[in-house]
Amino acid sequence: RKEVEQDPGPFNVPEGATVAFNCTYSNSASQSFFWYRQDCRKEPKLLMSVYSSGNEDGRFTAQLNRASQYISLLIRDSKLSDSATYLCVRGLTGGGNKLTFGTGTQLKVEL
Amino acid sequence: DVKVTQSSRYLVKRTGEKVFLECVQDMDHENMFWYRQDPGLGLRLIYFSYDVKMKEKGDIPEGYSVSREKKERFSLILESASTNQTSMYLCASSRASPDTQYFGPGTRLTVL
Repeated sequence: RKEVEQDPGPFNVPEGATVAFNCTYSNSASQSFFWYRQDCRKEPKLLMSVYSSGNEDGRFTAQLNRASQYISLLIRDSKLSDSATYLCVRGLTGGGNKLTFGTGTQLKVEL
Repeated sequence: DVKVTQSSRYLVKRTGEKVFLECVQDMDHENMFWYRQDPGLGLRLIYFSYDVKMKEKGDIPEGYSVSREKKERFSLILESASTNQTSMYLCASSRASPDTQYFGPGTRLTVL
């Protein structure tokens, strides 16, 4: 089983839709979680960190469920500019900031 | 503004050549990383460094070596390039504590 697993998509949604991605992880010692965004032919960039209590940044909401070992990303009121690949990322305790990346979920927002 | 630069955006080399990929960051970060990204496999860590002259193997170090002589510079070396090393190579840096990794624009390497 991969350490971090994501549905590759693509998720094709109309502008204004709400879309959610899930990601599962296999190592219960995992300490920290993030969502990165990668535009086509660009480098990944941090979108947001994920906390057990959940966190929200504008139209984006991230949740962590340690009991079921998954994290989620919810995007409300999708914009064309949200089209990208979303990478689920896990950091391990004491890992020296070593991160493990999922393969990404592709989102396409259409008119 | 945060900046990680890589020496080349595109590189074409022949099998057996020695290849150097350079990465420079201007944020005084302690940690630096080299990844490769392939379709369907995502980003995979090759090597990382948490201090000058220090290096640690990542998940796929075979066929690669690294050098970190100065804090701001981290080099990836392919001693004898092979076709299966054709890939997108991404460098990243971060502070010592668990923190955001900042990526360079990537080098697309093709080995013929």
